[in-house]
Amino acid sequence: GQQVMQIPQYQHVQEGEDFTTYCNSSTTLSNIQWYKQRPGGHPVFLIQLVKSGEVKKQKRLTFQFGEAKKNSSLHITATQTTDVGTYFCAGGGSWGKLQFGAGTQVVVTP
Amino acid sequence: EAGVTQFPSHSVIEKGQTVTLRCDPISGHDNLYWYRRVMGKEIKFLLHFVKESKQDESGMPNNRFLAERTGGTYSTLKVQPAELEDSGVYFCASSPLPWSQGTTEAFFGQGTRLTVV
Repeated sequence: GQQVMQIPQYQHVQEGEDFTTYCNSSTTLSNIQWYKQRPGGHPVFLIQLVKSGEVKKQKRLTFQFGEAKKNSSLHITATQTTDVGTYFCAGGGSWGKLQFGAGTQVVVTP
Repeated sequence: EAGVTQFPSHSVIEKGQTVTLRCDPISGHDNLYWYRRVMGKEIKFLLHFVKESKQDESGMPNNRFLAERTGGTYSTLKVQPAELEDSGVYFCASSPLPWSQGTTEAFFGQGTRLTVV
């Protein structure tokens, strides 16, 4: 069946550094969404990408959707302690439901 | 406007017992989804309601799980009898449009942490 994979599973980052988390789908997606879950919290929507090759920015976060619409990335610059949490990508397809990846758990060291 | 609410927030039950989780979606959201996350794994789809009808229940693990959404408002997810592998966080999400239309985000509840001992 359809699978969405995220790497890395864990990311330890020094405050101020940049990092990237990647999302790959086994099938072509109609759209991809990114969510952030703070420790003890619930997933909160960050952004949605729909077009092939689309790039969107939210302050220090840059989201990209691959040309083939099968992969996506989230790049965070100048990491802050507020960036701590688990970042999930979720692929939307014709099957009508969001398929979530396992998430990238981000730990920030001051 | 109230968000998606789930009850209880935590539940610890013994193997073989029954537990019922409840989800109140955002008012007016026809689409309601149940998801489950086992520690360190993906947020796995369980099922999707459109109003009171089950649109897709392909993710339900087995017949020990029963979901209902009578009247198309709140939903319940009952696990009977519970097994150890049912432990995890159960999330409910709602949206005004189905995700197949690709233009809408999902609003998640806080989740119910179920521990089966």
